[in-house]
Amino acid sequence: GQQVMQIPQYQHVQEGEDFTTYCNSSTTLSNIQWYKQRPGGHPVFLIQLVKSGEVKKQKRLTFQFGEAKKNSSLHITATQTTDVGTYFCAGPVAGDSWGKLQFGAGTQVVVTP
Amino acid sequence: NAGVTQTPKFQVLKTGQSMTLQCAQDMNHNSMYWYRQDPGMGLRLIYYSASEGTTDKGEVPNGYNVSRLNKREFSLRLESAAPSQTSVYFCASSEMDEQFFGPGTRLTVL
Repeated sequence: GQQVMQIPQYQHVQEGEDFTTYCNSSTTLSNIQWYKQRPGGHPVFLIQLVKSGEVKKQKRLTFQFGEAKKNSSLHITATQTTDVGTYFCAGPVAGDSWGKLQFGAGTQVVVTP
Repeated sequence: NAGVTQTPKFQVLKTGQSMTLQCAQDMNHNSMYWYRQDPGMGLRLIYYSASEGTTDKGEVPNGYNVSRLNKREFSLRLESAAPSQTSVYFCASSEMDEQFFGPGTRLTVL
């Protein structure tokens, strides 16, 4: 079945450093979404990418959708303690027209001051 | 707007007990979802409802039932709880694209 994989599973970052987390799908996706979940909280939508090769920025966060629409990345510049949390990517379930998503297992980000 | 609300926030059950998790949304969304979240496994879909009066199984439906009472409310029932159902449960709603999540229910089955 369709799989969405994220690497790394854990990311320890020194405050001020940059890092990138990656998302890979076993199937071509019509779009990809990214969510952030703060510790003890619930997932919150960050962004959706639709076009092949699309790049979108939100302040220090840069999201990219691969040319083949099977992978995506999230790059955070100058990490801050507010970036702590788990970042999930999610793609539409193949063949579904009701908005179902297949989530990756997430990248848990820990920031050291 | 409250968004998506869930009750209860926390629950402890003994094996074999039953309970219903409640979810409501005030965004007039057609689609609603129930997920469970376990460490290292992301969010796994239990059941979903594409519209009022329709429900369908997700990835991990065994041991659960759902009811889409009306457009606003979507409940998840555990008929006979098992320790393997210890998890955090999230309800979500959407109108095709981004999903809006509730605050979650942390369930422990002893």
